[in-house]
Amino acid sequence: QSVLTQSPSASGTPGQRVTISCSGSTSNIGSNAVNWYQQLPGTAPKLLISVNNQRPSGVPDRFSGSKSGTSASLAISGLQSEDEADYYCAAWDDSLNAQVFGPGTKVTVL
Amino acid sequence: QVQLQESGPGLVKPSETLSLTCTVSGGSISSFYWSWIRQPPGKGLEWVGYIHYTGSTNYNPSLKSRVTISLDTSKSQFSLNLSSVTAADTAIYYCARTGGYCSGGSCYLEFDYWGQGTLVTVSS
Repeated sequence: QSVLTQSPSASGTPGQRVTISCSGSTSNIGSNAVNWYQQLPGTAPKLLISVNNQRPSGVPDRFSGSKSGTSASLAISGLQSEDEADYYCAAWDDSLNAQVFGPGTKVTVL
Repeated sequence: QVQLQESGPGLVKPSETLSLTCTVSGGSISSFYWSWIRQPPGKGLEWVGYIHYTGSTNYNPSLKSRVTISLDTSKSQFSLNLSSVTAADTAIYYCARTGGYCSGGSCYLEFDYWGQGTLVTVSS
């Protein structure tokens, strides 16, 4: 049972905007920065968003992140077929003294 | 371009020790943190622990009693030992370069380069 919660699935048609949420508590998201990782089928995860809303070099600007209080969100605008993947949020938890991941959200492009 | 490659046995017997090595190329291992992360088949990600290039370590409390991560800068490698394994330790194990910092008991960690992962099955 993860201390971060995510909806198990999300979907949209090509071109649509999809938003994934990540809910935590004061000991993790409320106190520390959030990262998002994208895991395409059969591959290693890839850093998609760092420090709540920063895109590493090479990440398309269709991906954006935000954080408010104890929740964070990842938005994918202009959804493309290659965005079909699992998306994980992550943050440090001060109470557990550990890096924690959300359970992941599977995004399907209809 | 930084590259990481995991190596080690794909099958480990219950109660034995799982040992994996991650070889880093294209960049210096004498900076950053270096982490292990695992993923049971069909499930989510779990942080195992990290080693800083200075040698300091931090482990997931749920695994702390069984985990050791070490660093060999001369070989550009870092390693994971997980003792007394059970079937619950069956997972894809990833090594990752880890940016960020730890201060005052809190950390910011970002896993910016990953190995391809290696499946370790615990079975007799």
